[in-house]
Parts: sequence; C-alpha cells; structure tokens
Amino acid sequence: IAGITQAPTSQILAAGRRMTLRCTQDMRHNAMYWYRQDLGLGLRLIHYSNTAGTTGKGEVPDGYSVSRANTDDFPLTLASAVPSQTSVYFCASSPRTSSGELFFGEGSRLTVL
Amino acid sequence: GQNIDQPTEMTATEGAIVQINCTYQTSGFNGLFWYQQHAGEAPTFLSYNVLDGLEEKGRLSAFLSRSKGSRYLLLKELQMKDSASYLCAVVDSNYQLIWGAGTKLIIKP
Repeated sequence: IAGITQAPTSQILAAGRRMTLRCTQDMRHNAMYWYRQDLGLGLRLIHYSNTAGTTGKGEVPDGYSVSRANTDDFPLTLASAVPSQTSVYFCASSPRTSSGELFFGEGSRLTVL
Repeated sequence: GQNIDQPTEMTATEGAIVQINCTYQTSGFNGLFWYQQHAGEAPTFLSYNVLDGLEEKGRLSAFLSRSKGSRYLLLKELQMKDSASYLCAVVDSNYQLIWGAGTKLIIKP
C-alpha cells in the first residue's frame, strides 16, 4: 500500500530555476494539500484542491502553482525558485474537504542556493 | 489572526506521564487534532476531539473541555520511541486546518 508518494525526496536547486515537486496518492481521496514546514513554524498551507479540476490558494501561495488534472496527482511547481523557498514540502490528502485527518507523504527537502 | 500555542519543548522520563497543552484562537471550532512527527519524517494522525470529553487510545489520551478552556494530549508509560514532535491543529469555521508549531518531546532514560 503506497498511500502518498512524493518525488524527489531531496533536491538542491539554483535560484531562478523551475522545479516541480510531484505528489501521487492511491487512496482515491478527494482533497489534497501542499504544505511547507520550516523550523519553529507550524505547517503552512501553500495550495489545496478539494476535488479533481479545482484548486485554491492557501496561506503562502506566492511563487507556487498547482494543478489537479485527475484525482491521484497534485504537482507543485516553483516557477523561479528563490532561497526563501528552501524548506521541507509535504503533500497530504484527506477523504473529505472538511476532515482534519490528513495522510502525509514523506516530504521533499528542497534547498535553493 | 488565527493562532495555536503549544510548548516548544518538553522533557520527561521513560515510564512517566506527560501532558502537552494546546491553546487556540481561531475563527470558529470544528475539531482539535493531534499529530505525531518523528524527526525527519512526515506527521501522522494520532487523535481528534470535536466534542468535549476524553478520547483514549492505549497509552494516549486526548482531552477537550471548551467550557474550561482545557485541551491537552496525555501520554502515559512513556517509551523512548515517544520522542517526537507533537502537533496540535484546529479546524476553523471555514474548515481550514490551523497548525501549531509543535511540541518537541524529549524522553530521558
């Protein structure tokens, strides 16, 4: 049982480069989320999707974009990476939008130099 | 703004009991959630309270009393593997999940 798979696990990226973090779930969950986690701060929501074909902005959406072409995939793109985007990124899903019970991927550690 | 407060770090002894408190200021309340996160790993769901009361799962209890402003996670018979961060989160009136920064629990032999 895979659950949620994120790729890459870790990446070092030059500033200005474009980067896509991949996220795939096999639980047929409707809702999916992208969070970033930085030391001393709570998880911060970047973007979310309540169902395939829809997306929404979270707390810190600037510099990021997402798409939800189907139920399983929810990629996060950094169009032009900046050092402040150095973080650990977690993809998560839940069966319902209103549920606080999330299932997380293993995370993608991104370093922007 | 919306805010979740919990202790930054706590230390406890193996075999003992620890209580991790969580306070929140959010626009509405639709449930309080606890997650465990080991260093370098993803958060995993532990428990949630939406009504006042005590939720028990083995060595873990999650308590909520909105009238008394009391919400905490209780871990009993602590084991070394309980060393982790414990994240408190609240679902607000817009069904958005608001996260605390987490409490790092250090267990000593």
